[in-house]
Amino acid sequence: DTAVSQTPKYLVTQMGNDKSIKCEQNLGHDTMYWYKQDSKKFLKIMFSYNNKELIINETVPNRFSPKSPDKAHLNLHINSLELGDSAVYFCASSQAPRADSYEQYFGPGTRLTVT
Amino acid sequence: AQSVTQLGSHVSVSEGALVLLRCNYSSSVPPYLFWYVQYPNQGLQLLLKYTTGATLVKGINGFEAEFKKSETSFHLTKPSAHMSDAAEYFCAVSEANTGGFKTIFGAGTRLFVKA
Repeated sequence: DTAVSQTPKYLVTQMGNDKSIKCEQNLGHDTMYWYKQDSKKFLKIMFSYNNKELIINETVPNRFSPKSPDKAHLNLHINSLELGDSAVYFCASSQAPRADSYEQYFGPGTRLTVT
Repeated sequence: AQSVTQLGSHVSVSEGALVLLRCNYSSSVPPYLFWYVQYPNQGLQLLLKYTTGATLVKGINGFEAEFKKSETSFHLTKPSAHMSDAAEYFCAVSEANTGGFKTIFGAGTRLFVKA
């Protein structure tokens, strides 16, 4: 059983399109995250939700809109895709929003390529 | 503000040799420090973490790291490299943020292991 799963694994699309990435965790965790990893492997947090509430919202263009329909799901919708959005997007979850106490579990990533 | 610097984007060792991956951090409060490993086409996996207490932390797969406050370092070591250790390694620091903890990752160090 996969703990944190993401779909799709690969996504190739053209500039200007709108796309969504889905994330699900079956660990019973309260907190979920989206990270972006660029071509140089630099990993940066985008959003964090705890019990479906947004708790971390980094400086991300408002073309990116996360949605958490329930604690087990955190989806990422991206409008008007740009070349610079090409990256690997990782979803993660943890039992609670306390990095000192709880490990983050990462999904396998979604490789987004914008052409 | 937190930051993490990993010295060396690539490190190459021979199988059986000592692995040393360097990480320095800056944090305005006592930090929580982590090492993650990323195998090709996979998500990140926690190797070990320091929160409080003993400064020498042991993790999975024979890795350990030592928190040195005076040097603001958290270097990762393994006495004897194995081919299966070839991967990308990320050092990370977390501190409390409004509503939760924010984890900042270093740029990563790619470990190559030669037969």
